[in-house]
Amino acid sequence: TQLLEQSPQFLSIQEGENLTVYCNSSSVFSSLQWYRQEPGEGPVLLVTVVTGGEVKKLKRLTFQFGDARKDSSLHITAAQPGDTGLYLCAGRSNSGYALNFGKGTSLLVTP
Amino acid sequence: DTAVSQTPKYLVTQMGNDKSIKCEQNLGHDTMYWYKQDSKKFLKIMFSYNNKELIINETVPNRFSPKSPDKAHLNLHINSLELGDSAVYFCASSQAGGPGETQYFGPGTRLLVL
Repeated sequence: TQLLEQSPQFLSIQEGENLTVYCNSSSVFSSLQWYRQEPGEGPVLLVTVVTGGEVKKLKRLTFQFGDARKDSSLHITAAQPGDTGLYLCAGRSNSGYALNFGKGTSLLVTP
Repeated sequence: DTAVSQTPKYLVTQMGNDKSIKCEQNLGHDTMYWYKQDSKKFLKIMFSYNNKELIINETVPNRFSPKSPDKAHLNLHINSLELGDSAVYFCASSQAGGPGETQYFGPGTRLLVL
């Protein structure tokens, strides 16, 4: 199993602040995905990054895949209460089907 | 229309019982999965089926037996339930192939073993 370490584990910030969540591994992944999970629901895909060094933007969210395809970051600009949730990174190995998830970052944005 | 549905949403049962969780997807996907999310929110793959054939079977006790009657369904049967089986179980589906495929998750089944 290829391990993904996420940091921080918990993050509590005020509306309007910026934040960055990190996802690191010693393994190379063919792709890396970020999911958001809200209480009582299943994870929902936010983005997939495939190419080393790739940067993708989704409104106030910016995702980056490391050059060596071993790590990724999620940056949120001007966080809003609606961003509250559990953020999970997941790497897909070269073998195909399996997704290995990080342990998640629980984000709370207060008004 | 719900893309991936699971029943029941909540399941409370006694240790030693046998229970089943059902999953259905109406997305026409080839591949379905079962994940277990523990109390610390760690999400771990248990099984994966592609076109009704088992392709991933992680280190899961053989008390857990997945069954796929057709491509749209993947059920999970658990024998002799133990306290440590308490968790949220998620079903997911995807169209197989490629590093960029999206997995669609169901709403989860919250299992509590007393």
